[in-house]
Amino acid sequence: KNEVEQSPQNLTAQEGEFITINCSYSVGISALHWLQQHPGGGIVSLFMLSSGKKKHGRLIATINIQEKHSSLHITASHPRDSAVYICAVRLDSNYQLIWGAGTKLIIKP
Amino acid sequence: DTGVSQNPRHKITKRGQNVTFRCDPISEHNRLYWYRQTLGQGPEFLTYFQNEAQLEKSRLLSDRFSAERPKGSFSTLEIQRTEQGDSAMYLCASSLKMNTEAFFGQGTRLTVV
Repeated sequence: KNEVEQSPQNLTAQEGEFITINCSYSVGISALHWLQQHPGGGIVSLFMLSSGKKKHGRLIATINIQEKHSSLHITASHPRDSAVYICAVRLDSNYQLIWGAGTKLIIKP
Repeated sequence: DTGVSQNPRHKITKRGQNVTFRCDPISEHNRLYWYRQTLGQGPEFLTYFQNEAQLEKSRLLSDRFSAERPKGSFSTLEIQRTEQGDSAMYLCASSLKMNTEAFFGQGTRLTVV
């Protein structure tokens, strides 16, 4: 079993829909990152969370430390949101990131 | 400062040749990370610097790979005697300190032919 599990693996939705991507982890963490990777390969950091909730524009990220679960929400989705969204956790003990497999999101106009 | 910068963006090389990539982190960031990502996979940790000190190397980093950060600013990743299996996206990231957000460069895509 992977230490970081994301769901769904693939998600196709219509423009305007509310999107939720989930991340569950099984290890003790000091922080959780949500990142976005476009087809060209570049990775953009969206959020770093250690508790609670963060909001940036149409993106909202939440984390429940007790349940070891985080969600990334996109409101009023747009085709430019199409990308791979990756959850990565930083262990309590060191600096490495353990990565989820990613969720490929396609938003159709 | 526009973020983490990596050069070149793309590199095609013949098997057996040496290649060197450069990463310029965000200027005040003292932590710098190198990752490798093969097609369809998540990034794999390669190595980590705190200032000029290389504190950890993954077992993935064979003796053909070497990384430096001579003045604690930019870093270079060199691959000697490249093999086709080295074809991947090489990503660099930097952060201010351990539990702060990591910012990624656009990556260098290496193709070994």
